[in-house]
Amino acid sequence: SSELTQDPAVSVALGQTVRITCQGDSLRSYYASWYQQKPGQAPVLVIYGKNNRPSGIPDRFSGSSSGNTASLTITGAQAEDEADYYCNSRDSSGNHLGVFGGGTKLTVL
Amino acid sequence: QVQLQESGPGLVKPSGTLSLTCAVSGGSISSSNWWSWVRQPPGKGLEWIGEIYHSGSTNYNPSLKSRVTISVDKSKNQFSLKLSSVTAADTAVYYCARVLLSGSYSHFDYWGQGTLVTVSS
Repeated sequence: SSELTQDPAVSVALGQTVRITCQGDSLRSYYASWYQQKPGQAPVLVIYGKNNRPSGIPDRFSGSSSGNTASLTITGAQAEDEADYYCNSRDSSGNHLGVFGGGTKLTVL
Repeated sequence: QVQLQESGPGLVKPSGTLSLTCAVSGGSISSSNWWSWVRQPPGKGLEWIGEIYHSGSTNYNPSLKSRVTISVDKSKNQFSLKLSSVTAADTAVYYCARVLLSGSYSHFDYWGQGTLVTVSS
């Protein structure tokens, strides 16, 4: 079982704003990173650290964190944002091991 | 631009050992990064397998630790994964990735394209 919990599926109307969340005790100590994965493709980093976007990631993607919950927000969702989204962090055991959330399937209506 | 490329057999027999290599180009494996393996069973989510630093220090997923070995070859700028006693449950796409790990920050910034390994007789 994953130490990071995500909703399995979320939907958003085209052009609207959607928030995808990730919960876990380790998020009180570590920042989450977020990955977008489209079918048949490798994951792509979209948000890391406090709220940083790699080069080439649109500014409609943003990240935030509060307590044990990290969030990925897409402001003005586009059809091409339909994908699976995974959060990642380190575990809460103190051993600093990697852990992924179970993933959220985003559907853009 | 760092690039990672996985290679290895696409079919492994049950009880055998899965062996994959990740070749790193466009950057040195001796840089201040960790290097990781992640897998994804068909239709399922991502699973962190483990990681290695160029010094040879490793961290492993506790659920796989008894069967996993990750090693680094600095002369070839590559790192490798061995997973022993495989079963059908180990069938997955295996990705290698570069990890930036510092204090409370951890993220995978470069990924290989992934390679499907099927465990079957």
